Amino acid sequence: NAGVTQTPKFRVLKTGQSMTLLCAQDMNHEYMYWYRQDPGMGLRLIHYSVGEGTTAKGEVPDGYNVSRLKKQNFLLGLESAAPSQTSVYFCASSNLGQANQETQYFGPGTRLLVL
Amino acid sequence: KQEVTQIPAALSVPEGENLVLNCSFTDSAIYNLQWFRQDPGKGLTSLLLIQSSQREQTSGRLNASLDKSSGRSTLYIAASQPGDSATYLCAVRSNYQLIWGAGTKLIIKP
Repeated sequence: NAGVTQTPKFRVLKTGQSMTLLCAQDMNHEYMYWYRQDPGMGLRLIHYSVGEGTTAKGEVPDGYNVSRLKKQNFLLGLESAAPSQTSVYFCASSNLGQANQETQYFGPGTRLLVL
Repeated sequence: KQEVTQIPAALSVPEGENLVLNCSFTDSAIYNLQWFRQDPGKGLTSLLLIQSSQREQTSGRLNASLDKSSGRSTLYIAASQPGDSATYLCAVRSNYQLIWGAGTKLIIKP
C-alpha cells in the first residue's frame, strides 16, 4: 500500500515551458487535492476534485489546469511556466464520508524551480 | 475570509521540556481543526484532528485543545525528544477546504 505518490520529485523548467505533475493514490479515495507551499506561508489550495471526472478551483488556480480521468490519478498541468510558480507542490487525498472526520493523506511533494 | 496564524515561526528547546505550540484562526465557523507534522523533504502527516464539538484530543505525548469562541488551538508536547524536531502546521476546515497556518519549526536540542 503505497498511499499517495507524486512524480517527479524535482524538476527545473525554463520560463514558458510546460509540464505535468502526476499524483496517484491507492486508497480508493474520492477526494484529491493539489497544494503549493511557499516559504513563510501556509499551504494554498490550487485545485481539487470530489470524484472521477470532476475538478474545481481552489484559492490560487491561475496558471494551472487539472484533470481527474481516473479515480486514482490527479494531474496538475502548467501550460506556460513562470518564475512565480517556483514552489513545492503537494498532492493529497481523502474520503470525505463525514466532514468532521476527514483526514487528508499527503504525498512527499514535488519541488519545482522555474528559471 | 478565514485566516490561520501560528506563532512563533520557530522554537528551539532542550530535550525533555514540555512545550506548547499555538494556532489562532479568525472565523469560529469551522468543521474541525487538525495538527500536522512535516519533516524535511517529506509530506505532511496528520497528528490530531479535533472536531468542532470537541475541546481536546490526545495521542501519546501530544495533546491538542480547541477553543472555538476565542479562535485558538494549542498543541502540547510532553517530554520533548530530538525526534520531535519538525515543522508543525495547523489547519482549519471551512467548507471543502483546509485553511493552513504557515507552521512552527520546532528544534529539540539533545
